[in-house]
Formats: sequence, structure tokens, C-alpha cells
Amino acid sequence: GEDVEQSLFLSVREGDSSVINCTYTDSSSTYLYWYKQEPGAGLQLLTYIFSNMDMKQDQRLTVLLNKKDKHLSLRIADTQTGDSAIYFCAEIATGNQFYFGTGTSLTVIP
Amino acid sequence: DTGVSQNPRHKITKRGQNVTFRCDPISEHNRLYWYRQTLGQGPEFLTYFQNEAQLEKSRLLSDRFSAERPKGSFSTLEIQRTEQGDSAMYLCASSFYIPYGEKLFFGSGTQLSVL
Repeated sequence: GEDVEQSLFLSVREGDSSVINCTYTDSSSTYLYWYKQEPGAGLQLLTYIFSNMDMKQDQRLTVLLNKKDKHLSLRIADTQTGDSAIYFCAEIATGNQFYFGTGTSLTVIP
Repeated sequence: DTGVSQNPRHKITKRGQNVTFRCDPISEHNRLYWYRQTLGQGPEFLTYFQNEAQLEKSRLLSDRFSAERPKGSFSTLEIQRTEQGDSAMYLCASSFYIPYGEKLFFGSGTQLSVL
């Protein structure tokens, strides 16, 4: 399968910005996604970006895409304790399958 | 609730037993996916359906696993002769397929523990 890599842990203080990074390998990916998973729950779609864009903003969320470096990031502004969760990036690769990263566990310190 | 529904939420079984999980997708969605997730990992693709046709299965999927979507609505995933290594969260997701921008919506999963 495709390799989608993320750092495992991130810890931030409430009110600060969080930046979660992801690298992927398939240069033919058309869409890239960010999902959030809370304990014991399924994955919730947060946002997505088309591969011909380099930035997308959606309220507190900003997605940056560097297609040349195959690097995707998710910035959460004014991080709240309710943002504590595991965040997965995902790509649609050739064969129309979704490939998910290993997830980044975000801890927000009050 | 019009989201993806999975049953049961938890299943504990003994090694060697068969188990079956059910997924009810969002009603207008034509694609249905099964994923497996183990602790500390992202979801791993198992198989998917478009309407009632099973279009792809992971090469990693053992012959003990079978999935059906008989009328293009709900789906079942059966694991025969369960092994301890089958212990995982089994996630179902559905989508309305379009060539660009397909979005998966996930259920809450079925947590399987094989003793």
C-alpha cells in the first residue's frame, strides 16, 4: 500500500495553535483528507483539499498542501480541550482506495 | 440518526468461533467500505462494495473473512474460525461515489476481542 506518515504525538496548551503534519507518497493523489477520532468512536471527516490547491481554510482549521514535497498539514487555531483526539490524514491513491496515516494523538493542556 | 450504524458495538468471542458484524450505511450512499483498525494504527482497508457488487478486496484479507451486501443496502462482515490476531476495531464507512472528492463517513465501529 501507500505510505502515509505522521508524527505520533503532539501536546499544546489551550488557546495556542496546533500544527499536525503528514507526508504521503502517491503523487497521483487527487484529494487529501483530515479525519478526527475520539476515544471509542469512528472517524469524523474534518476537511479535505483538492490536490491543485495549496491552502484551504474552514473556520479554525487551515489545511496547507505542498504537492512538490508531498506534505500536508492541518493547523487548528485557538485549540480547545475538545480538540484532544487522534487526527488522521488520508489520501485517495491509484485504485481509488483511501490510505490512512498512523494518526497523531493531540493532547490539549488546560 | 441518519449516520452509518454498526452492530454490535462490542463482541467478545472465543478463538475458533465465527462472528458476524452488520453495517447500515447512509441511505443514499452507493459505496460501502470495511476497514480494520488496531491500537495505534490507522484504518486498514479490507474491502468495498459499489451497490451490491464487491469491487475490491485487500490482498491481506484472509479467506476466513467474507463480506456481503445483498441488496446494495446493509452489509455484513463474517469472520470464520476467529484467531486472537483478529482482535481489532472493525469500521464501516459509506460514501456517495463521485469521480472527484469522494468523502467517507464512518460508523462507530465494532470492537472485537478474541480470547
